[in-house]
Amino acid sequence: QSALTQPASVSGSPGQSITISCTGSSSDVGGYKYVSWYQQYPGKAPKLMIYGVSNRPSGVSDRFSGSKSGNTASLTISGLQAEDEADYYCSSYTGSSTPYVFGTGTKVTVL
Amino acid sequence: EVQLVESGGGLVQPGGSLRLSCAASGFTFSSYWMSWIRQAPGKGLEWVANIKKDGSESYYADSVRGRFTFSRDNARNSLYLQMNSLRAEDTAVYYCARHPYSSFEMWGQGTMVTVSS
Repeated sequence: QSALTQPASVSGSPGQSITISCTGSSSDVGGYKYVSWYQQYPGKAPKLMIYGVSNRPSGVSDRFSGSKSGNTASLTISGLQAEDEADYYCSSYTGSSTPYVFGTGTKVTVL
Repeated sequence: EVQLVESGGGLVQPGGSLRLSCAASGFTFSSYWMSWIRQAPGKGLEWVANIKKDGSESYYADSVRGRFTFSRDNARNSLYLQMNSLRAEDTAVYYCARHPYSSFEMWGQGTMVTVSS
């Protein structure tokens, strides 16, 4: 099971919106409504930001939103803030003998 | 407080074994699937294994299948990852995570495993 493909880096100015893509296949992202997104600061454990493609856990800012079209999922951060500077990973259920796969990760930089 | 605390990491020689533990508290442990996820230094996240609520089923990444064994003790609110035939590429921070609805909603702080001679 290959890792899902994410851009290595995305940047934006404070207040802008950015979108991070997560591309897989019909065997993972495209085949299930089980895409999730994680935020990770250096040296810290990841934090769940989006589950089930577009659902936000309690306590996560509504500036974070998720969507999916075909084999590509997306995480959008609106009203970009300095605290959003972190690494972001997507994950998908695969339905195979290796049931979960993560994306390659995206470093978000706030200019 | 709801938390997961991993332990058991350390330095081990190639071919050696190590057993990681994860202690859960503050929630009904037996109600959740659980996972191990690892992150090599400077690299991305890699899902390693998961286990069903009652421990009757477990699934593994291709990279560890046949070498790692995931178990749980619901009476002790604990998870265990027995890692055998360790390789340099197994060097990583290992996280345990609570795992409902096909997402990893709560993570421990991680324990570092280094495989080196």
